[in-house]
Amino acid sequence: EVQLVESGGGLVQAGGSLRLSCVASGFTSTYSMNWVRQAPGKGLEWVSYISTSSTIYYAEFAKGRFTISRDNAKNSLYLQMSSLRAEDTAVYYCARGGGQLDYYYMDVWGKGTTVTVSS
Amino acid sequence: SSELTQDPAVSVALGQTVRITCQGDSLRIYYATWYQQKPGQAPLLVIYGKNNRPSGIPDRFSGSSSGNTASLTITGAQAEDEADYYCNSRGSSSNHLVFGGGTKLTVL
Repeated sequence: EVQLVESGGGLVQAGGSLRLSCVASGFTSTYSMNWVRQAPGKGLEWVSYISTSSTIYYAEFAKGRFTISRDNAKNSLYLQMSSLRAEDTAVYYCARGGGQLDYYYMDVWGKGTTVTVSS
Repeated sequence: SSELTQDPAVSVALGQTVRITCQGDSLRIYYATWYQQKPGQAPLLVIYGKNNRPSGIPDRFSGSSSGNTASLTITGAQAEDEADYYCNSRGSSSNHLVFGGGTKLTVL
């Protein structure tokens, strides 16, 4: 079964750090991966992307504070978050990516892990 | 503000057809991808590319595009289609992704 399972969320004080993990099963590391978040009662917000060759992109709010990485040997994706702010409070999803030059999609999603930043 | 704009809410009578739209300059270059999200659940991919449905998505879901507007059409809406729908595409600079603000679909 193709599956993504996130972990590492929790309660952290503003200014603190947290490392999220996402373990993939049922498929190989030949896919790009993403982190997407959703604040309480709000919409989806893309956070970061990493390709199979570790090309990396970040949303503006994540640049300089968040670091995405992957360990293909462990079928794992990570998101190191630092200098956390109250507005980073959200459910963080990892999602498998795919597509062509003129479209991109995320076809497998984890259930999410909740990050709460207290001010 | 989001680079992709969606109507916050749309309603449709059971069995009728509804179109959910998404506007943005990047849609002149890239196709929109559509996700369905029900309360407490992760998003579910429903449409990608020109008009492709993943396995398991009913054929009442379809996608189209014209100029800077992408549309998700549900032909014969069912009660289980009541959900939030998000469009998504590469951003105008192509090195990021962007979501629309989401449309809450109510099936009456």
